[in-house]
Amino acid sequence: EAGVAQSPRYKIIEKRQSVAFWCNPISGHATLYWYQQILGQGPKLLIQFQNNGVVDDSQLPKDRFSAERLKGVDSTLKIQPAKLEDSAVYLCASRSPRGNSYEQYFGPGTRLTVT
Amino acid sequence: GENVEQHPSTLSVQEGDSAVIKCTYSDSASNYFPWYKQELGKRPQLIIDIRSNVGEKKDQRIAVTLNKTAKHFSLHITETQPEDSAVYFCAASQAGSARQLTFGSGTQLTVLP
Repeated sequence: EAGVAQSPRYKIIEKRQSVAFWCNPISGHATLYWYQQILGQGPKLLIQFQNNGVVDDSQLPKDRFSAERLKGVDSTLKIQPAKLEDSAVYLCASRSPRGNSYEQYFGPGTRLTVT
Repeated sequence: GENVEQHPSTLSVQEGDSAVIKCTYSDSASNYFPWYKQELGKRPQLIIDIRSNVGEKKDQRIAVTLNKTAKHFSLHITETQPEDSAVYFCAASQAGSARQLTFGSGTQLTVLP
């Protein structure tokens, strides 16, 4: 099966600019996660979707970050305006809807550099 | 919420030796414990996982042990090879529909030839 796709792979922007990331999960995976991975740290969950609904966005800095999954498939994550501390890799992951499934499959990530 | 501590942060071993990475978790409701391997610039890839109804699981040179009472789990890699060099992350997840992962801070494993 095709894996999780993300684009762009790299992005460099100046602080206060805006940026958007795109994720296409594995076909049929109803659950989608966005993580932020700062250099030298483990991934940190930002938001979780189940189909097109938000399950948990408690760790999403909502003053500058937003995410949507309008049709329950692709998702976009936006930052506006960006800060220097937003420099990180943004990972998208998806999980099968099967009842006993726990495994999350990760995309290649988008490396964001804010200057 | 869940908190996962991982150590050591760096580990160097000679090729052919064993490597052990340890994690502790805080939430006794967690019941799924995966280990991910992440090579430089690449996506995290699941290498092994264990559920709370099992104490140990093996897959060739890799094994994971779980002590629910002490709330810790460990990754064991035997007969290490240079291609095992990477960052390894442990994680913990609760039951329920969310099944969110809380990750440890990672261990940089270097296998010296």
